[in-house]
Amino acid sequence: DVQMTQSPSTLSASVGDRVTITCRASQIINNNLAWCQQKPGKAPKVLIYKASNLESGVPSRFSGSGSGTEFTLTISSLQPDDFATYYCQQYNAYPVTFGQGTRLDIK
Amino acid sequence: EVQLVESGGGLVHPGGSLRLSCAASGFTLSDHYVDWVRQAAGKGLEWVGRSRNKANSYTTEYAASVKGRFTISRDDSKNSLYLQMNSLKTEDTAVYYCSRVLVGPYYMDVWGKGTTVIVSS
Repeated sequence: DVQMTQSPSTLSASVGDRVTITCRASQIINNNLAWCQQKPGKAPKVLIYKASNLESGVPSRFSGSGSGTEFTLTISSLQPDDFATYYCQQYNAYPVTFGQGTRLDIK
Repeated sequence: EVQLVESGGGLVHPGGSLRLSCAASGFTLSDHYVDWVRQAAGKGLEWVGRSRNKANSYTTEYAASVKGRFTISRDDSKNSLYLQMNSLKTEDTAVYYCSRVLVGPYYMDVWGKGTTVIVSS
């Protein structure tokens, strides 16, 4: 199975900060990587697919980059609505696997 | 509006069975792959399985943790998909989400709100 390792597990930041979350895959995944956001009691919502493509309707402050086995999600200027848990997910190989999540808290 | 709605969750004893439903609206489910993903309380997301689309004969894939116990099926007349869960274990307790997978980019673009399964004696 492809192991997805996110860092950090928890991140404290303030409104207006620029934050970056990293996801490392245990093998090359051909950029078949998505990022999703989840708020408590809600379903996940996709933000980025194919490593760097912004899903329709997602604010442009979210961006994804990376290739090979190293990927990042960047939020350029944190807004109050962005405090949530973020997951990376590879869909290059079965089983589909997720990172363990990064909880983004208000500092 | 494109939407997925799960139902069928509940409390079941270990060793029991349950069938979850995933009803689609605003699009034709048979054109798309569909995944089931679960989340135990306070834990991360775990992929459960996939049903490919009609063009790919609705073939399926499963996580090792559920293979042989869970089965995904469809009913095109109801624009719905099902997750039959047998031989349930306490570790199957989770919120179960169905999600649409876009053919081509193959990522999950639409998620339902989830249904809760509790396996307990």
